[in-house]
Amino acid sequence: EVQLVESGGGLVQPGGSLRLSCAASGFTFSTSWMTWVRQAPGKGLEWVASIKDDGDKGNYVDSVKGRFTISRDNAKDSLYLQMHSLRVEDTAVYYCARGTNVLAWGQGALVTVSS
Amino acid sequence: DIVMTQTPLSSPVTLGQPASISCRSSQSLVHSDGNTYLNWLQQRPGQPPRPLIYKISNRFSGVPDRFSGSGAGTDFTLKISRVEPEDVGVYYCMQATQFPVTFGQGTKLEIK
Repeated sequence: EVQLVESGGGLVQPGGSLRLSCAASGFTFSTSWMTWVRQAPGKGLEWVASIKDDGDKGNYVDSVKGRFTISRDNAKDSLYLQMHSLRVEDTAVYYCARGTNVLAWGQGALVTVSS
Repeated sequence: DIVMTQTPLSSPVTLGQPASISCRSSQSLVHSDGNTYLNWLQQRPGQPPRPLIYKISNRFSGVPDRFSGSGAGTDFTLKISRVEPEDVGVYYCMQATQFPVTFGQGTKLEIK
């Protein structure tokens, strides 16, 4: 069974940083693209970033370029999202998902950016 | 960026009756590899999204056969043959043919 478990969410002040992690199991992580998707409170889904299976290339939505970095550790079956210069509008539940096709989702991690 | 437009945004349905959601993309979703990466997801209240359909019409494991997807190019449809209580939630179409991956606004399915 595919499992994706996010961690690292929390409350952070505007301008601060946070690192999300996603522990994967139940599939061959090292051959899968991985994706972060977020959902602001009461809003729809927004793709944030995806990373190639070998970690060589990341793609980002324009609103996070230069502030967020997606990375992975295939030896640990783990995905990460390093977030800097956080803004109030980054407040959302962040989901880790398998593939660019988002074939499986985690339960999400809440990130709240507020002073 | 490819814009995904869903209609309707809200759909009150009677239990046991069919429901249909339309999704239109601003450009063709046919990838250079010949596949069309159009998916449908369901999000029940308080839950993470659940993938229902991938590549237009393929149901994920465990998805009831009352859910079906169809379409081509830029016009796609999700149909529920007979709505059941557990189908209440928000339905999203999404395209993964090109970056950035984009989602529709969501269609809220509710029982009359």
